[in-house]
Amino acid sequence: AQSVSQHNHHVILSEAASLELGCNYSYGGTVNLFWYVQYPGQHLQLLLKYFSGDPLVKGIKGFEAEFIKSKFSFNLRKPSVQWSDTAEYFCAVKGPLTGGSYIPTFGRGTSLIVHP
Amino acid sequence: KAGVTQTPRYLIKTRGQQVTLSCSPISGHRSVSWYQQTPGQGLQFLFEYFSETQRNKGNFPGRFSGRQFSNSRSEMNVSTLELGDSALYLCASSLGGNLKTEAFFGQGTRLTVV
Repeated sequence: AQSVSQHNHHVILSEAASLELGCNYSYGGTVNLFWYVQYPGQHLQLLLKYFSGDPLVKGIKGFEAEFIKSKFSFNLRKPSVQWSDTAEYFCAVKGPLTGGSYIPTFGRGTSLIVHP
Repeated sequence: KAGVTQTPRYLIKTRGQQVTLSCSPISGHRSVSWYQQTPGQGLQFLFEYFSETQRNKGNFPGRFSGRQFSNSRSEMNVSTLELGDSALYLCASSLGGNLKTEAFFGQGTRLTVV
């Protein structure tokens, strides 16, 4: 079974501050990792994903994430946040294979509020 | 390409009633998953359907059920509604359930049980 932990449930920042959201997972086998964002009133959309290769992945809107296998972590970062980054952020992990498919397990989410 | 469409967007039901939610996946996507989203709990997996077969099921009571039609459209049903079933129900579609496929989400159905 897989579990995903997001350590920060609520984060409040001022514009231009740096952001780092933590995500840890439990399954030690092959995984694929995702960060999704949910803007107020909108559907969940993919920010970035890691399958293999360079552990530092870049996504949309200036976001990046680093996969550290030894720490079972996939932290999301952005050097300088904007008011428009106010949203809920979800880490998701695929793996292990269950019932013939890989079901993403989601963390509880982090609510980010950016003050202008 | 049209995205994942969920209907209705909002529902208010009374305790004890039953409700059916609908999801139309992206054209060509054969896997449909359902999630319950509540504040502080994130997304809890309900079930996944692929080619009209339930392939995976989460840890929810039997009051929650679903099905998938031959055109990949899916419905989920909740019987004997409880106050705690109030949540945003999300549907996600993907090409299949393999490791590399991305899930695309609908806007959800906001269910309020009173």
